[in-house]
Amino acid sequence: DGGITQSPKYLFRKEGQNVTLSCEQNLNHDAMYWYRQDPGQGLRLIYYSQIVNDFQKGDIAEGYSVSREKKESFPLTVTSAQKNPTAFYLCASTPGLENYGYTFGSGTRLTVV
Amino acid sequence: ILNVEQSPQSLHVQEGDSTNFTCSFPSSNFYALHWYRWETAKSPKALFVMTLNGDEKKKGRISATLNTKEGYSYLYIKGSQPEDSATYLCAPRIGSSNTGKLIFGQGTTLQVKP
Repeated sequence: DGGITQSPKYLFRKEGQNVTLSCEQNLNHDAMYWYRQDPGQGLRLIYYSQIVNDFQKGDIAEGYSVSREKKESFPLTVTSAQKNPTAFYLCASTPGLENYGYTFGSGTRLTVV
Repeated sequence: ILNVEQSPQSLHVQEGDSTNFTCSFPSSNFYALHWYRWETAKSPKALFVMTLNGDEKKKGRISATLNTKEGYSYLYIKGSQPEDSATYLCAPRIGSSNTGKLIFGQGTTLQVKP
């Protein structure tokens, strides 16, 4: 079955360390997105990519970085510059065509210890 | 900052009850409205994508309406079942099809008691 795989499901990081969250899709979707969820808030967009080798900042990009070297993969690095990284992170993709719903992964919960 | 409001924040109903939630969003530069259903420990799943004022979409017992002029959408569930228990997210797409982004509300959490 086609879908989006996020790994790991749970991640613990020491303060001051960078950590990379994986997102892989086999749906042949052009566009991929990273969202962050905090308690009581809606999903907030971190970064998105509409095509390989191109990506744009979302609303809360500070302290994060991404790459899109392959169509299937859109890893997110949470750097030590991110002041409050503990959160639930969701990856999503769409075909890039109009009026298609997003397909989401199952998420990674990052905790800074 | 564009504001998307969903109400109520949470809802408890008995099996068989019908229920509805509201999503309010800025009506300017509107492009599309998405509804998602997010069950605990699973990933959000797309329910509807609506674009036209007056649009109404239906999937089984769940339906949604859209008013783009006043900036709101309703989601209805007829005869709620325990398996309908989930958080329902709405997300308008503001801006053009190429540059518009989804802006998510905080969701309405529905609990259906058997």
